[in-house]
Amino acid sequence: NAGVTQTPKFQVLKTGQSMTLQCAQDMNHEYMSWYRQDPGMGLRLIHYSVGAGITDQGEVPNGYNVSRSTTEDFPLRLLSAAPSQTSVYFCASGTYNEQFFGPGTRLTVL
Amino acid sequence: GDSVTQMEGPVTLSEEAFLTINCTYTATGYPSLFWYVQYPGEGLQLLLKATKADDKGSNKGFEATYRKETTSFHLEKGSVQVSDSAVYFCALTASGSARQLTFGSGTQLTVLP
Repeated sequence: NAGVTQTPKFQVLKTGQSMTLQCAQDMNHEYMSWYRQDPGMGLRLIHYSVGAGITDQGEVPNGYNVSRSTTEDFPLRLLSAAPSQTSVYFCASGTYNEQFFGPGTRLTVL
Repeated sequence: GDSVTQMEGPVTLSEEAFLTINCTYTATGYPSLFWYVQYPGEGLQLLLKATKADDKGSNKGFEATYRKETTSFHLEKGSVQVSDSAVYFCALTASGSARQLTFGSGTQLTVLP
């Protein structure tokens, strides 16, 4: 049981490049979400999904796209990276009572 | 909107010292309250939670009581260990579930031997 896995662990991009952060879970959770963590600001919700085919925006969705084609996977896409998207990104999955977080992806946009 | 305010860090304590990390919140209705812990290089883990006023959450020697009258959920531990060194996040959800968390800014705790 791997829990929530995220790839890559580290990534450096140039402004304007695109990339996809991968997130997978093997706990059969319907609910999955993406957060970004910035110094002094805690974690902020980007997007979330309550099941395959259903996604919605969180607090800071601009510049990010998501899709949910399977229960297991919830990728986060940056279409045109900006320096303001430099952050640590956490994926989470969970039940009504508890969320389980992945180890995070540290992204730097130059 | 909903918000969580945590005491500023970092906090440095000696082993066996008493720990308090303050957390206050602003929310409409009756939020559920959580403490998460993040060890170096890892994701967040749920430490404890409380879902209604006067509930006390507890785990691994940590405790926090949901105080609606003071809108607070302070984290306490009677005797910290070096292994407690981590970042601690207070969080809430507006609904009764653990989804769509609103986090505080986090408090870095370092425990010295």
